Amino acid sequence: AQSVTQPDIHITVSEGASLELRCNYSYGATPYLFWYVQSPGQGLQLLLKYFSGDTLVQGIKGFEAEFKRSQSSFNLRKPSVHWSDAAEYFCAVGALTGTASKLTFGTGTRLQVTL
Amino acid sequence: EAQVTQNPRYLITVTGKKLTVTCSQNMNHEYMSWYRQDPGLGLRQIYYSMNVEVTDKGDVPEGYKVSRKEKRNFPLILESPSPNQTSLYFCASSFGAGGTQYFGPGTRLLVL
Repeated sequence: AQSVTQPDIHITVSEGASLELRCNYSYGATPYLFWYVQSPGQGLQLLLKYFSGDTLVQGIKGFEAEFKRSQSSFNLRKPSVHWSDAAEYFCAVGALTGTASKLTFGTGTRLQVTL
Repeated sequence: EAQVTQNPRYLITVTGKKLTVTCSQNMNHEYMSWYRQDPGLGLRQIYYSMNVEVTDKGDVPEGYKVSRKEKRNFPLILESPSPNQTSLYFCASSFGAGGTQYFGPGTRLLVL
């Protein structure tokens, strides 16, 4: 069965500092990988996704993520955080096998940005 | 505007009283899914549908039913709600199972 681990429940960074949110997945084949962001009281918005090809993926709002098969990781990065980035971030792994499909989310990392 | 809508957005009910949460999308997506979000547990998939009349269980289907009679609608039915179903529910849709999922605004349910 697939699974996702986000080891950091809560992270605080200063505005302008760099950010890296960790995500480790477990899946037998090549997964589909996603990062979503959820602002307070809002639904989820896709930041970026990896299906195949280039392992460094660019997303919206200046975010990027790198797929590392050897480490089963898909960490999210941003070189300079803005106060508006404060939100909860979810990593997800998708599996498509035959007619079945599942998307499994991690438990999320809450990002706090200090001014 | 392309969107996923859910109704109601907020619902307070009592144990055992059947309820339905509606989900509708206007993007002609084949794939639709329901999730519940609980603190510390992230989002967990309840049911999904690959297309009309094709549904399957996710990770936490107990106590829920779904139907997919039309492509645009995917209602979530709680036949006999219990307090442990108090949660925030999200509907999502996409072009195919591996596509980008678009989420609705969420339905916050309280079962007393």
